[in-house]
Amino acid sequence: SQTIHQWPATLVQPVGSPLSLECTVEGTSNPNLYWYRQAAGRGLQLLFYSVGIGQISSEVPQNLSASRPQDRQFILSSKKLLLSDSGFYLCAWTPGGTTNEKLFFGSGTQLSVL
Amino acid sequence: DAKTTQPTSMDCAEGRAANLPCNHSTISGNEYVYWYRQIHSQGPQYIIHGLKNNETNEMASLIITEDRKSSTLILPHATLRDTAVYYCIVRTYYNDYKLSFGAGTTVTVRA
Repeated sequence: SQTIHQWPATLVQPVGSPLSLECTVEGTSNPNLYWYRQAAGRGLQLLFYSVGIGQISSEVPQNLSASRPQDRQFILSSKKLLLSDSGFYLCAWTPGGTTNEKLFFGSGTQLSVL
Repeated sequence: DAKTTQPTSMDCAEGRAANLPCNHSTISGNEYVYWYRQIHSQGPQYIIHGLKNNETNEMASLIITEDRKSSTLILPHATLRDTAVYYCIVRTYYNDYKLSFGAGTTVTVRA
């Protein structure tokens, strides 16, 4: 069966520090991968999605970047965090191809930038 | 993708059916209706989806009106564990599967 791993669960970082959040999917090949962010009390905002290795699409301009160095690995990064980067970050995947009916989410990372 | 309108919040008694409405009056013919829910501090969980026919699975039932401009998610016997934010989303069946989540409906199941 397929599983998605996302870490860390909680992170407190100072303003101006770098960020690296990692997500991996097991049990499937060539998944579509996604990063979402949820500010406190708000809906989910799609940040990035990827349909293959090295293929990254950005949905909103921001202080973050994403990379997909391996088929089932998706990384969210920042060189210098801002206070506004605080939020709940969620990685998600769907099967590649035309059978992608469901979006499967990881457990999320609560990021606090102080 | 078409936008959806949901009530901000609703309460439900434990053991009773919870009926969650969603309006999607601008939905187009190739757009599906999806429902997800998010329990506090967790990732969203897929519930059900449909195109034009009513659907039922082990979690819920989805009733879509004949003109497809609105739908209702039914939780047949709500439990305290069903307390969550419920998102109604419409999307075209694209390969890259981009979903936009609105504010959803906060459902509180009370004992």
